[in-house]
Amino acid sequence: QKEVEQNSGPLSVPEGAIASLNCTYSDRGSQSFFWYRQYSGKSPELIMSIYSNGDKEDGRFTAQLNKASQYVSLLIRDSQPSDSATYLCAVGYAGGTSYGKLTFGQGTILTVHP
Amino acid sequence: DTAVSQTPKYLVTQMGNDKSIKCEQNLGHDTMYWYKQDSKKFLKIMFSYNNKELIINETVPNRFSPKSPDKAHLNLHINSLELGDSAVYFCASSPILKGDTQYFGPGTRLTVL
Repeated sequence: QKEVEQNSGPLSVPEGAIASLNCTYSDRGSQSFFWYRQYSGKSPELIMSIYSNGDKEDGRFTAQLNKASQYVSLLIRDSQPSDSATYLCAVGYAGGTSYGKLTFGQGTILTVHP
Repeated sequence: DTAVSQTPKYLVTQMGNDKSIKCEQNLGHDTMYWYKQDSKKFLKIMFSYNNKELIINETVPNRFSPKSPDKAHLNLHINSLELGDSAVYFCASSPILKGDTQYFGPGTRLTVL
C-alpha cells in the first residue's frame, strides 16, 4: 500500500515568516513529487513539481526532495495571508499498474495571520 | 476559456438514484482522471483514461462506471447512490501519463440524502 503522510496541522505562521510543510512517502519507487494548493471550496492547483534530489525554487516557493529519507518539503518565504490554504503533497509512479497515478497526502492546513 | 470543466457543480439526490457527472477538457490532453475528495479533504484517484482506454481502475464499487466517448470527455455514472458517496468529485487531465502535471476541474459536490 503506497502511502503519503503529511501533518494535518493547522500550521499557523505570522505574515512575513517562513512556512515549512513536510511530507513523507512509503514507496521507494516513487519518481515524481508535487505540491498542490487548495483554497476552501476550490480545486487543487499545482504550485511546485520536483523530480530529483535537492532544492527547486520558484519565486517564494522552494521544494526540497530527499529520496534517501523519502521526504519532500515545501518552504514558503515571506508568507502572505493569501497563502492560507490546504497544501497537498502528491507522489507519482511510473511503473506497473500504478503508471501515471498520483497518491495524495491528507493535506496540511496553513493559516498566515497578519 | 475553462480548461477542465465539470457539470453539474452541485448535485443533491436521494439514496438509490442514478446520476451522472460530465467532464470536458479543451487542453488537447490525452489522459483524464476522476478523483474523490471526502469530508476530510482526502483526495483519492478513482479512474484514469488514456485516449479513451481505461488505464487505472482503483478499488471502486462497480456502481461507478466511467465512460470516455472521446479523449476530451470523461463522464462518471453512479448507480444506486449511497450516503457514503457524498463527496466532491474532481475531474483532471494531463498531457502524458508519466507523473506529469494534472489540471483539475472545479469539482462536483455530490450530496446523497
